[in-house]
Order: sequence, then C-alpha cells, then structure tokens
Amino acid sequence: DGGITQSPKYLFRKEGQNVTLSCEQNLNHDAMYWYRQDPGQGLRLIYYSQIVNDFQKGDIAEGYSVSREKKESFPLTVTSAQKNPTAFYLCASSSRRRGGEGTQYFGPGTRLTVL
Amino acid sequence: AQSVTQPDIHITVSEGASLELRCNYSYGATPYLFWYVQSPGQGLQLLLKYFSGDTLVQGIKGFEAEFKRSQSSFNLRKPSVHWSDAAEYFCAVGALSGGYNKLIFGAGTRLAVHP
Repeated sequence: DGGITQSPKYLFRKEGQNVTLSCEQNLNHDAMYWYRQDPGQGLRLIYYSQIVNDFQKGDIAEGYSVSREKKESFPLTVTSAQKNPTAFYLCASSSRRRGGEGTQYFGPGTRLTVL
Repeated sequence: AQSVTQPDIHITVSEGASLELRCNYSYGATPYLFWYVQSPGQGLQLLLKYFSGDTLVQGIKGFEAEFKRSQSSFNLRKPSVHWSDAAEYFCAVGALSGGYNKLIFGAGTRLAVHP
C-alpha cells in the first residue's frame, strides 16, 4: 500500500530537549511538507522540500530544523529553541506538478507533548 | 493576500439530515480548491478537489462541493449525514508560491452528528 507513515504517534519531551519526528513516504513524491496544528488555528506550514538536499522555511520555521537526504524521508527536529512545541504535527507529500495537480496527501500525525 | 474563511466553527446536525459547510476564499487567480476531513487524533483525508471544468465536484463518502466564482465560495454538501461523518472539515486553497504548491487552510469546522 502506498502512503505516508509518521512515527512515533505520541511523543513526550522534557523542556530543553531536542526531539526528532519521522516521516516516510512511498508515493514517489518529490515534495514533502511539515505542518503544525493547534486547536482552532488550522494548519500552519513549518518547512517544505521540493527535492532531495533542498528545503525551505515555511511560515513558522523558528525553533525547528529539517533534512532531506532521501526522497522518501523528511524528518523534523523540534529544538529547545521552540518556545511552545506542544502540538499535533502532520507530514504531507505531493508531486511537483504545477498548481492543483500537486495535491497534498497527509500522514497520520504525531502528537508532541512537552512535560 | 490569500486566505480561506470557514465561518462556522461548530455545526451539529441530526443523522439523516442534509449538511452544508461553508467556505469562502480570497485569491487573485483561478483557485485550486480542496476539502479535507480529519477524525480525532488522525491525519487529513482528501474528500474532493476542484481544478477546473465542471463547478460541481463529487468526492468520496457521498460528499460534493460547488465552486461559485462570483461568490468566492466552495461549499461542501451531503444530502444525508451518517454518524460516522462526525469529524473536523478543512477547506483549503492551493496556489503557486515561490515555485511550490502552497496550501492555505481555513480554521476548520467541527461537525457533530446527533442520533
């Protein structure tokens, strides 16, 4: 089955620690994305990558970092510099076709809680 | 600026009743429009999308949406709601931004279904 997997489903972090969220896709998509979801605020883009070894900041990149060493994988690190990291994190992927043909498909999400 | 408004934060309907979820967008060019559904603690599932052509779009689970350019709207409808439709629904507009397929989300509408 083609799809996007995220792990872990739940993650707990102590203040001051960095944590890494995993995202893997087998849809052969070039583009991958990370979103943060908070209640009542919809989804906000953290980082995106259109091709291996390249990525760009989204709207709320401060306190986060990413890498894109393989087409299938786009891990997100939440650093200690992120002031309020407790949230639901969603990974997505799409083709690089222009406009609406680049429909984004989402993984099941990771809920991060800072203790 | 591009934006999406979902005027209803919460909607409650009885099982078997009809449903309409409102979505208004602001975008300068021809929009690419999407509706996603999210069950609690899960990722987003694509319900339907509009790129061009017929303004009435059919999706999965018996949903449909109508694009009305004059009203800048893309409302989601279902003739008869099932209890399993209880979820949060997100409208999104797709746009090219910096060469990538950007998605701008509304804040979501949470649907409750009474038996």
